[in-house]
Amino acid sequence: DAGVIQSPRHEVTEMGQEVTLRCKPISGHDYLFWYRQTMMRGLELLIYFNNNVPIDDSGMPEDRFSAKMPNASFSTLKIQPSEPRDSAVYFCASSTGGQETQYFGPGTRLLVL
Amino acid sequence: AQKVTQAQTEISVVEKEDVTLDCVYETRDTTYYLFWYKQPPSGELVFLIRRNSFDEQNEISGRYSWNFQKSTSSFNFTITASQVVDSAVYFCALSEVDFNKFYFGSGTKLNVKP
Repeated sequence: DAGVIQSPRHEVTEMGQEVTLRCKPISGHDYLFWYRQTMMRGLELLIYFNNNVPIDDSGMPEDRFSAKMPNASFSTLKIQPSEPRDSAVYFCASSTGGQETQYFGPGTRLLVL
Repeated sequence: AQKVTQAQTEISVVEKEDVTLDCVYETRDTTYYLFWYKQPPSGELVFLIRRNSFDEQNEISGRYSWNFQKSTSSFNFTITASQVVDSAVYFCALSEVDFNKFYFGSGTKLNVKP
């Protein structure tokens, strides 16, 4: 079975540009999580969805970040406008329940110049 | 306060040594889950184990073993006869059922030298 799929794997952009990260969860998983990983702050939970509905977005750093899940098989994390401090690895994970094991995608390495 | 504390930032051992990675957690939930994940140099996060708060039995999987002690709020991970391929960052995580929250520790980087 396919795992969590993320695209792109690498993204280099210039400050001020819009960035869209994509995620396809494991089929049958009702929960989808977005994380950000940096050296300074480690792994941070940004937002998670249950059945396509955002449940907790308290980790979203600011209004420049937005996330959507239009259907059970697709989610996006958008940064607009991007800033150099947004440079990080962004992971998507999915699970069958809120406390069940989360399975992670390969991550998107974002560099904002 | 940190919900999950991994006090060891980095550990270096020589191949075939045993090594224990510490994890201390804090929660008011009576029902919770604890996890360990491995992040090798390639960057992906790999699930290793999940335990619930009602099951304090130690678990062994090959060279890996886990010691869960509620009395000390610890969930330590031991690698026996370490190998170079064990070199990675290891994360401990806590999932709180009542509060519906998930927390990762800051990770312990393990370097296994040949």
